[in-house]
Amino acid sequence: AQRVTQPEKLLSVFKGAPVELKCNYSYSGSPELFWYVQYSRQRLQLLLRHISRESIKGFTADLNKGETSFHLKKPFAQEEDSAMYYCALRGAFSGGYNKLIFGAGTRLAVHP
Amino acid sequence: EAEVAQSPRYKITEKSQAVAFWCDPISGHATLYWYRQILGQGPELLVQFQDESVVDDSQLPKDRFSAERLKGVDSTLKIQPAELGDSAMYLCASSRGQGSDTQYFGPGTRLTVL
Repeated sequence: AQRVTQPEKLLSVFKGAPVELKCNYSYSGSPELFWYVQYSRQRLQLLLRHISRESIKGFTADLNKGETSFHLKKPFAQEEDSAMYYCALRGAFSGGYNKLIFGAGTRLAVHP
Repeated sequence: EAEVAQSPRYKITEKSQAVAFWCDPISGHATLYWYRQILGQGPELLVQFQDESVVDDSQLPKDRFSAERLKGVDSTLKIQPAELGDSAMYLCASSRGQGSDTQYFGPGTRLTVL
């Protein structure tokens, strides 16, 4: 079954510390992986996607097909990074149409 | 910058009542999605439209939920009758096309069923 697992509900770090938000997936084909972020009182928005291989707001994520993981990393956390982070997988499902499957999310709290 | 609009933002209703949510996607976006997000979980797709046609409603509880996008622009999601377990955030999103396009989310409607 297709699934996205984010094992940590809450990740609490101090400002300047490294951050790694874990994401593992289960999918039989070649998925697209995404990280979405929701800041307090804001709408859900795309942070980055694996095919872009870009760094957004200092965050990077590498798709590891062997470990079926797509962990989100940042070397030095900032207080403004505090938010809810969702890992998502897009693949072709019934009817041939793509859809997103989200993980349960990890709340990142960065303390001063 | 264009955004997805949803209304109402909050809705409180009693069980067995009917509720309806409205979504206006970004202009020109052909694909529209309705998601349900239960507290502590990620969004789950309920229904996906391509223009005015439903292309995926496999997770929509069709005995009580219905969705329409009559002119291929705005959309309405209805629940009748509402049950206690329907309490959740209902999110609408839109994208230019169905493929690799980015989905843009609305602010959501928080439904509480008493």
